[in-house]
Amino acid sequence: SYELTQPSSVSVSPGQTARITCTGDVVAKKFTRWFQQKPGQAPIVLIYRDSERPSGIPDRFSGSSSGTTVTLTISEAQVEDEADYYCYSAAENNIWVFGGGTKLTVL
Amino acid sequence: EVKLVESGGGFVQPGGSLRLSCAASGFTFSGYWMTWVRQAPGKGLEWVANIKYDGSEKYYVDSVKGRFTISRDNAENSLYLQVDNLRAEDTAVYSCARGRDIDFWGQGTLVSVSS
Repeated sequence: SYELTQPSSVSVSPGQTARITCTGDVVAKKFTRWFQQKPGQAPIVLIYRDSERPSGIPDRFSGSSSGTTVTLTISEAQVEDEADYYCYSAAENNIWVFGGGTKLTVL
Repeated sequence: EVKLVESGGGFVQPGGSLRLSCAASGFTFSGYWMTWVRQAPGKGLEWVANIKYDGSEKYYVDSVKGRFTISRDNAENSLYLQVDNLRAEDTAVYSCARGRDIDFWGQGTLVSVSS
């Protein structure tokens, strides 16, 4: 299937660890990246190749992969981390797909 | 500095057409695949189409096949999306992005389809 499934929302208190999952057959075969989108802004890359972090991204953001699930972990979540998070991966036949997005609330 | 600036959006009736443009600067445009992504109001991101660096390969999401056409002009550092036979469900902000795996996005241009 070409679908990537994410929880619609995750809520944590400041300083706690937030975990956002992304599940789909494609993630077992292809690398996944994670984007963060804040209101009115273009998304930015948080994680690429399942677990690599671009320069400038705080190390409290990390990624992991196991079977058909990839996970974005935000350690010691801060209020400024409130945003929508999307996973993204290549599906079959050169088609790419986004997960449905997860709204992270930190309060 | 990498820049992607979209234009060409607007209000159009169902069945209408628009040509969206994306002006790229700050990188070697001809060396990258390019992608169009859209986001309906209050909804998530949707991959729409991408095009190989030389224009020789193009791929589309099923819902736009036969109605949208992606193209590029490497001499002008520009990416295009011709959107025809528009439907209400095509209403969205359309953004261009660098790469198939996407490492940089523009701010987008709004397409609103309504009678």
